[in-house]
Amino acid sequence: NAGVTQTPKFQVLKTGQSMTLQCAQDMNHNSMYWYRQDPGMGLRLIYYSASEGTTDKGEVPNGYNVSRLNKREFSLRLESAAPSQTSVYFCASSTNLGEQFFGPGTRLTVL
Amino acid sequence: KQEVTQIPAALSVPEGENLVLNCSFTDSAIYNLQWFRQDPGKGLTSLLLIQSSQREQTSGRLNASLDKSSGRSTLYIAASQPGDSATYLCAVNERNTGNQFYFGTGTSLTVIP
Repeated sequence: NAGVTQTPKFQVLKTGQSMTLQCAQDMNHNSMYWYRQDPGMGLRLIYYSASEGTTDKGEVPNGYNVSRLNKREFSLRLESAAPSQTSVYFCASSTNLGEQFFGPGTRLTVL
Repeated sequence: KQEVTQIPAALSVPEGENLVLNCSFTDSAIYNLQWFRQDPGKGLTSLLLIQSSQREQTSGRLNASLDKSSGRSTLYIAASQPGDSATYLCAVNERNTGNQFYFGTGTSLTVIP
């Protein structure tokens, strides 16, 4: 039982490049989330998906898109990366009681 | 908008001491509250989940309490150990806003051997 997995672990992009962050969970959870974590600002929700086929914006969705491919997988795409998107990105999933479980994170640097 | 505050931002204690970490939130209409631990460069590990109808939860040396009316939660760590050194985060879940969590910025705990 791997829990929540994320790929890649590290990534360096140039301004304007695109990339997709992958996330998968094997706990049969309906809800999945993408957060970014920045020093002094805590975790902020980018997008979430309450169930397969649905996605909703969180607090900071600008510059990002998501896809809930199936119940297991939830990807985050940066279409045109900007230095302000340098951050650590976490994927999470939650039980029906709202207990969240997190992946190990992706450390992204945009030059 | 819900705001979650954790004070102090950093705490240093000698090994063996009992300690309390604080979490406050501005809107008492929460569904649940969760405490996490985060080690440097790692993801968040769930420690305890308290539903809004509960007053406390316990796991080993950890005890978390919830007082919704005053907008407070505490995490009590008994007999602290150097391995407890980490950042501790609390998050509140407002079900009525679409199952979103609001996080505090954490308390960085150092337990000195």
